[in-house]
Amino acid sequence: DAKTTQPTSMDCAEGRAANLPCNHSTISGNEYVYWYRQIHSQGPQYIIHGLKNNETNEMASLIITEDRKSSTLILPHATLRDTAVYYCIVRVANRDDKIIFGKGTRLHILP
Amino acid sequence: EPEVTQTPSHQVTQMGQEVILRCVPISNHLYFYWYRQILGQKVEFLVSFYNNEISEKSEIFDDQFSVERPDGSNFTLKIRSTKLEDSAMYFCASTLSSYEQYFGPGTRLTVT
Repeated sequence: DAKTTQPTSMDCAEGRAANLPCNHSTISGNEYVYWYRQIHSQGPQYIIHGLKNNETNEMASLIITEDRKSSTLILPHATLRDTAVYYCIVRVANRDDKIIFGKGTRLHILP
Repeated sequence: EPEVTQTPSHQVTQMGQEVILRCVPISNHLYFYWYRQILGQKVEFLVSFYNNEISEKSEIFDDQFSVERPDGSNFTLKIRSTKLEDSAMYFCASTLSSYEQYFGPGTRLTVT
C-alpha cells in the first residue's frame, strides 16, 4: 500500500548534509509529502511537510520536484543524534487521517 | 514543550490476561490514535478517535481491542485477552491540526 519508494539505508558523515530521496510518482493533487523519523525505540517524530513549494524549518528542508513525483529531505548539518529511520509519507491533510508508514530509510551518521 | 506521555513504559503479561495501556495526549488536542510496531516491522495504524468515538480502525483492531477516553485527559487502549502476537511497541499519538501527529514514547508490551 506504500505510495513512496525510499532507499533502505544511507550513510552520511557527521557535519555534512544528509540528502534523503523519496519517489512518489503516483501522488495526487491534494496529497502532501510528509517526513517523520524514528530514533531507535522511540515514537515517530514529525519533521516537515509540503505540497509543492520547497519548505524549510529548524530541523530540515524539503525539496519537491516541479512534477511532484519525487522529493528530497535535507538535514543541513547532520549530527550523531540524527541517526534514525526516516519515513517519507504521502497523505491528504485530513485531521483524522491515519499515517501509513512504510519501511523508510535507515540513516547512519558516521563520526 | 507539551508532549504525549504513555504509561507504563514496559508491561509484561501472561497470555489471556487483560491489559490497559494509558496515554495522556497533549491537552488541547482533539484527535487521538493508537499505532503498534512489532519488533523489526513497520509502524501500523490501529485506531483513530475523535469526539468520543472511533473514527477509523484497521483490521488489526478486532473485538479484543477497545479504546476509551474516560476523563477528558487519558486515552486508553485495552486488550481483553492478550495473545503472544500482541507483543509489540504501542504508540499513542494526538493532533490538533491536520498536519503533525505527535507521538508518545511508547509502551513495550510483552506477552508470555
